[in-house]
Amino acid sequence: EVQLVESGGGLVQPGGSLRLSCAASGFTFISYSMNWVRQAPGKGLEWVSYISSSGSTIYYADSVKGRFTISRDNAKNSLYLQMNSLRAEDTAVYYCARDRYGDYMVDSWGQGSLVTVSS
Amino acid sequence: QPVMTQSSSASASLGSSVKLTCTLSSGHSSYIIAWHQQQPGKAPRFLMKLEGSGNYNKGSGVPDRFSGSSSGADRYLTISNLQSEDEADYYCETWDSNTRVFGGGTKLTVL
Repeated sequence: EVQLVESGGGLVQPGGSLRLSCAASGFTFISYSMNWVRQAPGKGLEWVSYISSSGSTIYYADSVKGRFTISRDNAKNSLYLQMNSLRAEDTAVYYCARDRYGDYMVDSWGQGSLVTVSS
Repeated sequence: QPVMTQSSSASASLGSSVKLTCTLSSGHSSYIIAWHQQQPGKAPRFLMKLEGSGNYNKGSGVPDRFSGSSSGADRYLTISNLQSEDEADYYCETWDSNTRVFGGGTKLTVL
């Protein structure tokens, strides 16, 4: 069974930093590209970032470019999101999301980690 | 980049059928999409991959009541024999070069 478990969320002040982690299990992590997708309170889904299976290709949404960094450690079956210069509008539940093998679409979701940016 | 348009809400009676629509913007009518379901208070769940031809591949464990179809730039999700647990938000997703796009979501109410 595919499992994606996020951790690292919490309350942070505007301008602060936070690092999210996602522990993957139940599948061959090194074979799959991964994403972070967020959902602000009461809002829809917003894609944040993508990383290829090897980590060689990375994309970001314009809203986070230059502030967030996605990375992965295939030896540890883990995905990360380093978030710097956080703003109130970054407040959201952040989901770790696996792409369907060979496709550019999510087929598995974590349970989410809440990030709240507030003074 | 593509824009995906969904109605904000829909409703249908228990045991009936409902057809939700996701419309791709001009120039993107051939795009493949995914449908996701998000029940209240839960993480999203992948339902299916849907091609412009109307061919679809469902995720593991998705009931037979869920099906997909396409017409031009429109991508449809049909739910038959509606159950109370189908009351949820439904999102479409697609991609283009270096970006991923989600529709605004449709909130389905089961009456």
